[in-house]
Amino acid sequence: GENVEQHPSTLSVQEGDSAVIKCTYSDSASNYFPWYKQELGKRPQLIIDIRSNVGEKKDQRIAVTLNKTAKHFSLHITETQPEDSAVYFCAAKISGYSTLTFGKGTMLLVSP
Amino acid sequence: EPEVTQTPSHQVTQMGQEVILRCVPISNHLYFYWYRQILGQKVEFLVSFYNNEISEKSEIFDDQFSVERPDGSNFTLKIRSTKLEDSAMYFCASSGSSGAISGANVLTFGAGSRLTVL
Repeated sequence: GENVEQHPSTLSVQEGDSAVIKCTYSDSASNYFPWYKQELGKRPQLIIDIRSNVGEKKDQRIAVTLNKTAKHFSLHITETQPEDSAVYFCAAKISGYSTLTFGKGTMLLVSP
Repeated sequence: EPEVTQTPSHQVTQMGQEVILRCVPISNHLYFYWYRQILGQKVEFLVSFYNNEISEKSEIFDDQFSVERPDGSNFTLKIRSTKLEDSAMYFCASSGSSGAISGANVLTFGAGSRLTVL
């Protein structure tokens, strides 16, 4: 099955700085890579996703990059704000299946 | 915006008791899921359900677990005889497609049911 590794486990930045969270996956048949944001005590919410036929996708301050050869993908948040503070989970889905395999999460703390 | 709703929000039970967690997926979604999250850990897949049957399940989803869609709106997770290690947040999710063709499988999660087993 799929195995997703995520780093770092915690990330502290100053407001306005950029934050980068990295994930690797094991199954080369994976073709869909979403990122979820989970605020304390709340449900995971999709913030951005990327399919395997695309190398990069951007949505305002958030971008995701995918390197299929190296089997890794990254979340980039620019101009961070305190409300970006949350746990971010990456996930991967193998082609032909519906299951998402999640990484262990990154706690992002943005200090004012 | 359509939501996945879950009840109860928090349930405390004694070890060995049966628990049923309920979910109402988004009305036009066809794929339903249960995930769990032990406190401070990652979200783990339990089971997916489509066309009134289980389509995928993980190693966690053993004989103590079952799922059911008793009517056109509810999707339930039953734990027959709870253990201490079943204490977790259980998330229901639904999606409009499995992603088998398009690739993308956009899951919408419910707010979760926190299960505490004493």
